[in-house]
Amino acid sequence: GAVVSQHPSWVICKSGTSVKIECRSLDFQATTMFWYRQFPKQSLMLMATSNEGSKATYEQGVEKDKFLINHASLTLSTLTVTSAHPEDSSFYICSAGRAGRGNTIYFGEGSWLTVV
Amino acid sequence: GQNIDQPTEMTATEGAIVQINCTYQTSGFNGLFWYQQHAGEAPTFLSYNVLDGLEEKGRFSSFLSRSKGYSYLLLKELQMKDSASYLCAVRDHDNQAGTALIFGKGTTLSVSS
Repeated sequence: GAVVSQHPSWVICKSGTSVKIECRSLDFQATTMFWYRQFPKQSLMLMATSNEGSKATYEQGVEKDKFLINHASLTLSTLTVTSAHPEDSSFYICSAGRAGRGNTIYFGEGSWLTVV
Repeated sequence: GQNIDQPTEMTATEGAIVQINCTYQTSGFNGLFWYQQHAGEAPTFLSYNVLDGLEEKGRFSSFLSRSKGYSYLLLKELQMKDSASYLCAVRDHDNQAGTALIFGKGTTLSVSS
């Protein structure tokens, strides 16, 4: 079964509103989680690294004030897209690595965001 | 800089064998991953190589040459359901749980009957 769960699977929101996406590690503690974005027919682009109990590390070109990341517990990271615009419509996916299991990186199911 | 290259598209027929190549240039290296991704879905793990050589898992095999910065994914006895995007990804740091993967652009494989 899934070891990283993401919610919601898809969401439609109006332009200007905010949307929160949750990423949970189900049976392990994830000190670090990663958020990716994928536009149609393109690869996964790392947006930010979410660190439990501290500020997220954002990749160059990703607006930290627009994509708010909170990693308040060892099993939950959230990504909030604030003041969403149609160009933010994309597939957002989180992942986490299981400590001590170097060859296993788990991905959430992904979240489709459509901003209208 | 970090760079991972793989062909954009490949086509093959059912029952055939296809090899998808991946070359990488990264600041460090601690493992190369192959994922399969069907349209609209999350990637699913296929293979992991950290040492040189071939890893075989059923119809899928993956090869790594660290000195050449090169890997390939070999798919045998192709089936229609193998039509998908195949992503090559590298972890460039030895902090295994704390390092994000760097992805290539993916190779879209189309299998025809």
